Amino acid sequence: AQSVTQLGSHVSVSEGALVLLRCNYSSSVPPYLFWYVQYPNQGLQLLLKYTTGATLVKGINGFEAEFKKSETSFHLTKPSAHMSDAAEYFCAVSDRGGSQGNLIFGKGTKLSVKP
Amino acid sequence: DADVTQTPRNRITKTGKRIMLECSQTKGHDRMYWYRQDPGLGLRLIYYSFDVKDINKGEISDGYSVSRQAQAKFSLSLESAIPNQTALYFCATSGPQAGPFYNEQFFGPGTRLTVL
Repeated sequence: AQSVTQLGSHVSVSEGALVLLRCNYSSSVPPYLFWYVQYPNQGLQLLLKYTTGATLVKGINGFEAEFKKSETSFHLTKPSAHMSDAAEYFCAVSDRGGSQGNLIFGKGTKLSVKP
Repeated sequence: DADVTQTPRNRITKTGKRIMLECSQTKGHDRMYWYRQDPGLGLRLIYYSFDVKDINKGEISDGYSVSRQAQAKFSLSLESAIPNQTALYFCATSGPQAGPFYNEQFFGPGTRLTVL
């Protein structure tokens, strides 16, 4: 069965600092991987996804993530945090080619950005 | 206009009441989902539907039922609400299971439900 682990339920960084949000997955086959962001009082919005091809994936708002099969990881990074990045971030995995293709979400990491 | 809408956005009800949460989408997607979000638990799948005639239970379907009235509408019902169903509920849709949007889900704004 697939699962997703997000290390750290809360991460706090200073404005301008590197953002690193960690995600590890378990899957018997190479999965599809996603990062979603939830701003306060809003639904989830896709940041980026990995399906095939280049393992470094660029998303919206300057975020990127790298799929590392050997480490079963898909960590999310941004070189310089902005106050507007404060939100909750969810990593998700789905099976590749499965009949259902449902998403399994991690428990989320809340990012705070200090001025 | 939003592609995925949910009504109501907020609801307070009492234990034992029947509640229906509604979801509509204009994306033309066949697949629709209902999730609940609890602090520290992430999103958990309640029910999902791959088309009007295909309804499936998710991880936490007990105490919930759904109806897929049309391709664009997917309702979630709590037949007899209880306090531990207090949560944020999200509807989502996804498109064809091939091509560049494979498995990408689009979320509504959520319904905050409080059961007293």
